[in-house]
Amino acid sequence: DAGVTQSPTHLIKTRGQQVTLRCSPKSGHDTVSWYQQALGQGPQFIFQYYEEEERQRGNFPDRFSGHQFPNYSSELNVNALLLGDSALYLCASSIRRLPLAGEQFFGPGTRLTVL
Amino acid sequence: ELKVEQNPLFLSMQEGKNYTIYCNYSTTSDRLYWYRQDPGKSLESLFVLLSNGAVKQEGRLMASLDTKARLSTLHITAAVHDLSATYFCAVDESNTDKLIFGTGTRLQVFP
Repeated sequence: DAGVTQSPTHLIKTRGQQVTLRCSPKSGHDTVSWYQQALGQGPQFIFQYYEEEERQRGNFPDRFSGHQFPNYSSELNVNALLLGDSALYLCASSIRRLPLAGEQFFGPGTRLTVL
Repeated sequence: ELKVEQNPLFLSMQEGKNYTIYCNYSTTSDRLYWYRQDPGKSLESLFVLLSNGAVKQEGRLMASLDTKARLSTLHITAAVHDLSATYFCAVDESNTDKLIFGTGTRLQVFP
């Protein structure tokens, strides 16, 4: 079982550019959540995808958007990058179908640096 | 809005000593998680606590949950250097896998 995978590992962009980050969930998982972790802080929930729809969203602007594909993988897109978008972006997968499903598994993250 | 607070934020402790990290949260939830994060790395799941009174132990770490007090603790017994990391608690808002994380506790264990 490969677990949760993310690509790319590192990314450097300049202000105003757009970026796409990718996530493949753990085998058998159907729900993908994205988190932003700024340096020295705890992860902040961005949004969650289930059945190819955004189900929940945190306090992030519309510049942050996403998508989930039929194979449950997901993309996070950020437009008009700001310096403050520099962070570690974490993808987590879980199983929505089961009651009290519990644990989320996190991927290795994508380190985004905006210059 | 659910808020999660951890204390202490920083903890420097000597090998062999015991200590407890506290996690308080502001609204009702019965799903709480503890994660470990090493510098530059992702989050490693330590414990999943799903009911009031839940207690779980793994090696030198033991976690407990008191949903009535909205409090979880992570107890470290006889600390060793390998436990040096940042520890986060996270509460599931509305039982929908939307995790609200605490501020984290940076633990350093020295000889």
